[in-house]
Amino acid sequence: AQTVTQSQPEMSVQEAETVTLSCTYDTSESDYYLFWYKQPPSRQMILVIRQEAYKQQNATENRFSVNFQKAAKSFSLKISDSQLGDAAMYFCAYRSFGSGGYQKVTFGTGTKLQVIP
Amino acid sequence: EPEVTQTPSHQVTQMGQEVILRCVPISNHLYFYWYRQILGQKVEFLVSFYNNEISEKSEIFDDQFSVERPDGSNFTLKIRSTKLEDSAMYFCASTAGGSETQYFGPGTRLLVL
Repeated sequence: AQTVTQSQPEMSVQEAETVTLSCTYDTSESDYYLFWYKQPPSRQMILVIRQEAYKQQNATENRFSVNFQKAAKSFSLKISDSQLGDAAMYFCAYRSFGSGGYQKVTFGTGTKLQVIP
Repeated sequence: EPEVTQTPSHQVTQMGQEVILRCVPISNHLYFYWYRQILGQKVEFLVSFYNNEISEKSEIFDDQFSVERPDGSNFTLKIRSTKLEDSAMYFCASTAGGSETQYFGPGTRLLVL
């Protein structure tokens, strides 16, 4: 079974600074997807960024980028120019590639990010 | 932009009562899921549903739980006899196909007293 580990329960960053959230995972599969989801106080799960394991290039979405190290099974999220609206719980997540759409998403325990004005 | 919707946003019920949580997935999506998140804990998979049947379910999804797609738009999760430990946020998600991202609804916060 796949597992996702987030070793930082809480992080803080000054507004406009950069912060990196860590995530490691364990799998025996070679093809899979990795995600970062954001959960603000409203508790809705919002997709931040997605990475396909077969792609060597790290995904980026505006101020958000990942450092995907497949051999090390590491998938960190970098938030640049942090904004107050970035304050939320961030979940790292894993999904098998597979041919069907029924694959479940496995979540880490989350990192609570505080943005300091 | 299309989104997954869930109703109600909050539900309070007495232990032993039946509850039905409703979800409207994104219209062209074919795969549907329920997850739950007990307060302060991580999100856990409950069940996946495709072609009008369960594709996979977790050990949490016991005989007290059932899912249904009663019409072309709704996807429901029923808990037959709620327990205190069923108190959680329940998220519905959907995806168009096998390689697509799962999009989550805003959740239903269930409180069992």
